[in-house]
Amino acid sequence: AQSVTQLDSQVPVFEEAPVELRCNYSSSVSVYLFWYVQYPNQGLQLLLKYLSGSTLVKGINGFEAEFNKSQTSFHLRKPSVHISDTAEYFCAVSHPLFSGGYNKLIFGAGTRLAVHP
Amino acid sequence: EAQVTQNPRYLITVTGKKLTVTCSQNMNHEYMSWYRQDPGLGLRQIYYSMNVEVTDKGDVPEGYKVSRKEKRNFPLILESPSPNQTSLYFCASSNLGDVAFFGQGTRLTVV
Repeated sequence: AQSVTQLDSQVPVFEEAPVELRCNYSSSVSVYLFWYVQYPNQGLQLLLKYLSGSTLVKGINGFEAEFNKSQTSFHLRKPSVHISDTAEYFCAVSHPLFSGGYNKLIFGAGTRLAVHP
Repeated sequence: EAQVTQNPRYLITVTGKKLTVTCSQNMNHEYMSWYRQDPGLGLRQIYYSMNVEVTDKGDVPEGYKVSRKEKRNFPLILESPSPNQTSLYFCASSNLGDVAFFGQGTRLTVV
């Protein structure tokens, strides 16, 4: 069965510092990978996605992620965070062969990023 | 503007009183899905639909029903809500192999 593990439930960081949110996955097939962000009282917004090709993926708001197939990881990074990046971040995987329909997403538990001044 | 609209955003109800959460999308997406979000568990799929009149169970379907009579609408029905269904619910839509768009969420409390 497929699963997604986000290794940190909370990450506190000071403004303008770099941050890495870690995500590992388990799957018997090659998957599509996503990072979503959830701001307080809002829905989920796509930050970036990896479907194929270059393993370094750039997303919105200065975030990027690197797909590492050998380590089955897809860590999210930002070189300098802002107060406005405070939110919950979800890593997710998908594959057309997953039960639950071709666009089913399997989510990690989430990482709460708290940026302090 | 492309969007997924859920209603209501907040709902408090009593055990056993039937309720419906509506979901509508304006992007002509074929695939729609309901998720529930619980602390420490992330989002888990409740039900999904591949097209009109085609629905199937996700990972946590117990206590829920859905219908897909029109392409744009995918309501979530709780026939007899219980306190363990207190959660944050999200509707999502997408086309084949494309990114999912999510609604704003519905926070349900069952007392």
